[in-house]
Amino acid sequence: DTAVSQTPKYLVTQMGNDKSIKCEQNLGHDTMYWYKQDSKKFLKIMFSYNNKELIINETVPNRFSPKSPDKAHLNLHINSLELGDSAVYFCASSTTGGGNTIYFGEGSWLTVV
Amino acid sequence: ILNVEQSPQSLHVQEGDSTNFTCSFPSSNFYALHWYRWETAKSPEALFVMTLNGDEKKKGRISATLNTKEGYSYLYIKGSQPEDSATYLCAFRMDTGRRALTFGSGTRLQVQP
Repeated sequence: DTAVSQTPKYLVTQMGNDKSIKCEQNLGHDTMYWYKQDSKKFLKIMFSYNNKELIINETVPNRFSPKSPDKAHLNLHINSLELGDSAVYFCASSTTGGGNTIYFGEGSWLTVV
Repeated sequence: ILNVEQSPQSLHVQEGDSTNFTCSFPSSNFYALHWYRWETAKSPEALFVMTLNGDEKKKGRISATLNTKEGYSYLYIKGSQPEDSATYLCAFRMDTGRRALTFGSGTRLQVQP
């Protein structure tokens, strides 16, 4: 059983489209995250939700909107996709607490053409 | 801006060699230091979470040490095997502010049989 699963794994889409990436965790965690792997291969935090509440919102364009329907899901919606949005997006989850392990999904490869 | 630096960027060793990498992070406002192992096209896999100065953790042939006062952590691999080939990431978490993980860019290890 995959602990943190994201779909789709690969997504190729045209500029201007709206797309979503879904994430689900079956670990019973109360905190979920979206990270983006940038062009220099760094993993950078985008959003964090705790018990369905947004607690971290880094400086990302308004076109990116997370939605957490329940503690086990955190979806990422991207409107009006741009070429620069091409990247690998990772979902992750953990229990509350900075010393707790964060579990990652396998990543979603987004290519905007 | 938090700086988490890892060195070397990449490393090629022969099977059986022992090796180590360095992670440098801010020495103030320390909360936790995470190490991850990341194989291409897979999820980053947690190795260690370290929270106390002087912590030493071990998992099989892999071990890590932590010095929060000077802001560094070492990851050691004893008797490297080809299956150890991966990128090793460290991530730092502050005890103030947004408390998200800040990742280094990783050390890419290749172990030649």
